[in-house]
Amino acid sequence: DAMVIQNPRYQVTQFGKPVTLSCSQTLNHNVMYWYQQKSSQAPKLLFHYYDKDFNNEADTPDNFQSRRPNTSFCFLDIRSPGLGDAAMYLCATSRDRAAGLYEQYFGPGTRLTVT
Amino acid sequence: AQSVTQLGSHVSVSEGALVLLRCNYSSSVPPYLFWYVQYPNQGLQLLLKYTTGATLVKGINGFEAEFKKSETSFHLTKPSAHMSDAAEYFCAVIQPSGGYNKLIFGAGTRLAVHP
Repeated sequence: DAMVIQNPRYQVTQFGKPVTLSCSQTLNHNVMYWYQQKSSQAPKLLFHYYDKDFNNEADTPDNFQSRRPNTSFCFLDIRSPGLGDAAMYLCATSRDRAAGLYEQYFGPGTRLTVT
Repeated sequence: AQSVTQLGSHVSVSEGALVLLRCNYSSSVPPYLFWYVQYPNQGLQLLLKYTTGATLVKGINGFEAEFKKSETSFHLTKPSAHMSDAAEYFCAVIQPSGGYNKLIFGAGTRLAVHP
């Protein structure tokens, strides 16, 4: 089945220690998104890639970076995690607007704990 | 700009009772609307969507929603709740942005189902 895969599902890192979360997709979608979701809150968009074009949300901290080496993979790098960065990180994909399909498909998420 | 309001952060129903989760939207363009469900420690799963056409939309797991333009509403219903329906539900509207579609989420409604 076509899907969005996130690894690992659970990640523990130390305060200030860089961490990378990964996302892959078999849907061949050209848009990929990273969301941060804190407890009992809606997902908050951090940034997205439209093909190779990176688009940052205005309020995303510089501490968060992303890489998309090819269509299938996208990475979220947190350069110096703070306690406030503990959250669920969700990856999602979609077709672009020209395709006339509007829904986003989400992966299972990676729960990040910062100690 | 588009926005979504979900009335009731927590809803509790008995097993077998009607489920009604409320969503009102604000949109400067014809809205594309979605309901997503999130089970504990999981990603978001698309329940149903409204883009154009029929205003009563049927989704997975017996859920349906009716788009009412005059009331700017897109309430989610299910005739008979199951224990397995206990989850967080998010209503979302598309905000067109360049070549991609940004999802604007409501704050979410946590549904509890008791025996």
